[in-house]
Amino acid sequence: QSALTQEASVSGTVGQKVTLSCTGNSNNIGSYAVGWYQQISHGAPKTVMFGNSLPSGIPDRFSGSKSGTTASLIISGLQPEDEADYYCSTWDYSLSAVVFGGGTKLTVL
Amino acid sequence: QVQLRESGPGLVKPSQTLSLTCTVSGGSISSGGYYWTWIRQHPEKGLEWIGYIYYSGSTYYNPSLKSRVTISVDTSKSHFSLRLSSVTAADTAVYYCARSDSSAFDIWGQGTVVTVSS
Repeated sequence: QSALTQEASVSGTVGQKVTLSCTGNSNNIGSYAVGWYQQISHGAPKTVMFGNSLPSGIPDRFSGSKSGTTASLIISGLQPEDEADYYCSTWDYSLSAVVFGGGTKLTVL
Repeated sequence: QVQLRESGPGLVKPSQTLSLTCTVSGGSISSGGYYWTWIRQHPEKGLEWIGYIYYSGSTYYNPSLKSRVTISVDTSKSHFSLRLSSVTAADTAVYYCARSDSSAFDIWGQGTVVTVSS
């Protein structure tokens, strides 16, 4: 069981806006920055959000937000190449460890 | 642009020690503010943080692996290393190195497959 909870699967059509969530508690998401990673076909993860920053080369249709103990990755204008597994991570003070969510499989219909 | 590359044996025998190295290029491993990280992914599973090291040598390990893990850094060679002792089949995974700010990761290596088998 992951310390961070993500939807198992999310789907959307091309051009749609989709939101992926990552829910934790006050010991992790509520207190620390969150990262989001895209993994396509079991390749190496690629960072799509690093705290509040969009890494160089990542399209600006990706954005992130955080409210309390839930972080969100928003993809505005979904594209076929966005189909992937997405993971979130942050530090957990009570566990003294970096924790990941279980991952969300995003399908572009 | 900073790049990371893992290297090491792809096959390790049970009970032996897994050793991997991550070479940092395009930037300084001694840059303050970054933690040099090892992460693994079991087949068809999610990501698991193994631990990280600051350039000064301070280390932080996953409590579930702490008794078997050692991460070290060699700033003169611009690389950091992972040693995982007493491996079993459960340690078969893809191992990634990455750069972290302590809670998130911005740069990843391409990953290396390690299989534990006799």
